[in-house]
Amino acid sequence: ETGVTQTPRHLVMGMTNKKSLKCEQHLGHNAMYWYKQSAKKPLELMFVYNFKEQTENNSVPSRFSPECPNSSHLFLHLHTLQPEDSALYLCASSQNQGTGSDTEAFFGQGTRLTVV
Amino acid sequence: KQEVTQIPAALSVPEGENLVLNCSFTDSAIYNLQWFRQDPGKGLTSLLLIQSSQREQTSGRLNASLDKSSGRSTLYIAASQPGDSATYLCAVYRRVIYNQGGKLIFGQGTELSVKP
Repeated sequence: ETGVTQTPRHLVMGMTNKKSLKCEQHLGHNAMYWYKQSAKKPLELMFVYNFKEQTENNSVPSRFSPECPNSSHLFLHLHTLQPEDSALYLCASSQNQGTGSDTEAFFGQGTRLTVV
Repeated sequence: KQEVTQIPAALSVPEGENLVLNCSFTDSAIYNLQWFRQDPGKGLTSLLLIQSSQREQTSGRLNASLDKSSGRSTLYIAASQPGDSATYLCAVYRRVIYNQGGKLIFGQGTELSVKP
């Protein structure tokens, strides 16, 4: 148990569906992240939120839409996805100390997404 | 652009052997470096975090070193066990600008197999 919980653990969706991934952290951190992990590729950063504000969008297609209603929750809304979007989506959190450094990052167990 | 490389991509050793995993990065202007472990289909488990002012960290049978000037880190695993079999990931924190908080840049990982 890392203190970061993701739901659902597995998701199968059609290309015309709309679904959402949820992440919740119980660590009191002020920064949250979405990463994508595809087979045989390094983890790719998608979005960064600091103090509930999005501070980075790593050229992610608009069919992925993040939402951060508060510092403990992060969502990733999905619509009209493509089969190549099938991957493991990981959420992480850390504490931005405002000194140019973050504390240790903790990851959730991920959501395995399959687009059919 | 920060790039992180891990060598070797895969490693198979007999139980009891001491081993070293390597990580190199192109931009020495990092803040922290973190080593993770990932079991198949699972999320990431943090192993060690090395602050930029530190040269090494130890946890049990694990020892991680950091040499910023040469852009290298190593993870040393002593007396390896079958339960150590997993993918090991190295990640560096990007240099922070305007107090936006750091982001982790990952290598592709080293897949370790420890044979009984």
